[in-house]
Amino acid sequence: AQSVAQPEDQVNVAEGNPLTVKCTYSVSGNPYLFWYVQYPNRGLQFLLKYITGDNLVKGSYGFEAEFNKSQTSFHLKKPSALVSDSALYFCAARGYNFNKFYFGSGTKLNVKP
Amino acid sequence: DAGVIQSPRHEVTEMGQEVTLRCKPISGHDYLFWYRQTMMRGLELLIYFNNNVPIDDSGMPEDRFSAKMPNASFSTLKIQPSEPRDSAVYFCASSRTDRTEGYTFGSGTRLTVV
Repeated sequence: AQSVAQPEDQVNVAEGNPLTVKCTYSVSGNPYLFWYVQYPNRGLQFLLKYITGDNLVKGSYGFEAEFNKSQTSFHLKKPSALVSDSALYFCAARGYNFNKFYFGSGTKLNVKP
Repeated sequence: DAGVIQSPRHEVTEMGQEVTLRCKPISGHDYLFWYRQTMMRGLELLIYFNNNVPIDDSGMPEDRFSAKMPNASFSTLKIQPSEPRDSAVYFCASSRTDRTEGYTFGSGTRLTVV
């Protein structure tokens, strides 16, 4: 079965510290990978994507993600967290059935001052 | 473009009543998706359309749910009769065929059935 896993329901980090939100995928072919962020009472917003090329992709708000094909992972990172980064983060893969996304269960990021 | 537009933003209804949620996708997007989000089940894909045609409705929970897309700029999700367990946030999203592109989500409709 195709799936995307986010093993942590919640990640807590102090402001100014680096953050990592983990994602692994099990999707056939060479899926395209995405990160979305959801702020309270809002829809999901696109952060960044990996299509091909450099394994480190940069996105909005200073976020970046590292693609690792051998580990089938696509972890979201930021060198220095901000309190305003606190939100729900979703990893997603668009697989062979290209019109369908597989979403992870979401990880709540809490950044404390 | 104004993005994906959903209405209403909030809906409170009594059990047994019919509820209709509306979505206007981004112009030029030929895929439209309806999702439901709850704390317990996370994001669930209910149904999606391609060029106004329903492609996969396997996520529709039961016959009380129905969705239509009469034209490229409008879709509805209807629940009849509604039940308290239908309370959730319902999102509409649209995308183009290009597999390298992501979805654009609307702001959602928060449905409360009492």
